Amino acid sequence: AQTVTQSQPEMSVQEAETVTLSCTYDTSENNYYLFWYKQPPSRQMILVIRQEAYKQQNATENRFSVNFQKAAKSFSLKISDSQLGDTAMYFCAFRGGATNKLIFGTGTLLAVQP
Amino acid sequence: DTGVSQDPRHKITKRGQNVTFRCDPISEHNRLYWYRQTLGQGPEFLTYFQNEAQLEKSRLLSDRFSAERPKGSFSTLEIQRTEQGDSAMYLCASSLGRGSYEQYFGPGTRLTVT
Repeated sequence: AQTVTQSQPEMSVQEAETVTLSCTYDTSENNYYLFWYKQPPSRQMILVIRQEAYKQQNATENRFSVNFQKAAKSFSLKISDSQLGDTAMYFCAFRGGATNKLIFGTGTLLAVQP
Repeated sequence: DTGVSQDPRHKITKRGQNVTFRCDPISEHNRLYWYRQTLGQGPEFLTYFQNEAQLEKSRLLSDRFSAERPKGSFSTLEIQRTEQGDSAMYLCASSLGRGSYEQYFGPGTRLTVT
């Protein structure tokens, strides 16, 4: 069975600094998709960034980028120039190529300090 | 607002009562998902619909849980004979397709069983 592990329950970063959130996963599939979702306090979950496993190039979305290491089954999220609005719970999620469900990690609570 | 909507946002019920939640997906999305999120955890997949067909169910979905999506539009999730362990946030999501397609999440229904 696929699993997703986020080993950092909480992290803190100063405004304008860079922070990296870690995620590892376990799967025997070769074709799959990885996502980072953000869940702000009392607000709904939104997609931050996605990565297709067949793509070697790391995905980037403005201040957000990933470091996808397929052999190591690692998928970390880097947030550059952190802003107060980045304060949220961040979830790493896996989706197999033949399934429709997302498998989430336990999340990392990120606090951006002024 | 044309996002995913859920009703009610909060529900308090006594153990043993039945509850029903509603989800309205984004109108052009043919895929609909239900997840359950307990405190401090990531969302866990419950079930998935493509149009009106329920194509995937988690083992978490005991026989007290039933979900429907009549006519492939809105969906309902019913929990019969609620137990205290059912207390959680119930999230609905919808998407246009599978693979890397984004799942758009609703605000959730928070259920408290007393």
